[in-house]
Amino acid sequence: GAVVSQHPSWVICKSGTSVKIECRSLDFQATTMFWYRQFPKQSLMLMATSNEGSKATYEQGVEKDKFLINHASLTLSTLTVTSAHPEDSSFYICSARDPGTVEQYFGPGTRLTVT
Amino acid sequence: DAKTTQPPSMDCAEGRAANLPCNHSTISGNEYVYWYRQIHSQGPQYIIHGLKNNETNEMASLIITEDRKSSTLILPHATLRDTAVYYCIVRLPSGSARQLTFGSGTQLTVLP
Repeated sequence: GAVVSQHPSWVICKSGTSVKIECRSLDFQATTMFWYRQFPKQSLMLMATSNEGSKATYEQGVEKDKFLINHASLTLSTLTVTSAHPEDSSFYICSARDPGTVEQYFGPGTRLTVT
Repeated sequence: DAKTTQPPSMDCAEGRAANLPCNHSTISGNEYVYWYRQIHSQGPQYIIHGLKNNETNEMASLIITEDRKSSTLILPHATLRDTAVYYCIVRLPSGSARQLTFGSGTQLTVLP
């Protein structure tokens, strides 16, 4: 299947700083990417849908000014957690929709720890 | 998208078949049944999907009941590496822009 990568795989940052997570589709161009968040022992929760060249669509309860999403190219979407706090510590997972197969492929996830 | 119900956990002996059930009684006629799994601290992995016919691939088999209100994912010879959370998802056809919505899934533990 198609490959989606994320960088970094894990990051530790201090409270109040910002962290950027990258999501790349390696062998296809993704017009739509999705960002999920997963807390320990819980399921994946969709945060936002990222469309190339336009503003992201955020799910209810997700602060768009805190979780900045940029999808500037067909192979790259970024999620920036601004002014991170310990409660933002979570596993962040992106997925990309392959327009060729119209299936959704997931990245390996990024573990964020805010101290 | 239709809601799904799965048992929270199951055990299976290594080498035996693992049968994971899923109820989706409110599924509509054009919704597919998808199965993903998530190994600890990794992203979800696609397993298989189907509409009404049974499906088989190199990973698993998917059995969908005739009324489509339930399905079973079968791992024919479970290995320790199959220990994961398995998610049953019902969704519109892949061409839809809708994202995948995850329920709580079934934690499958394969025992040596």
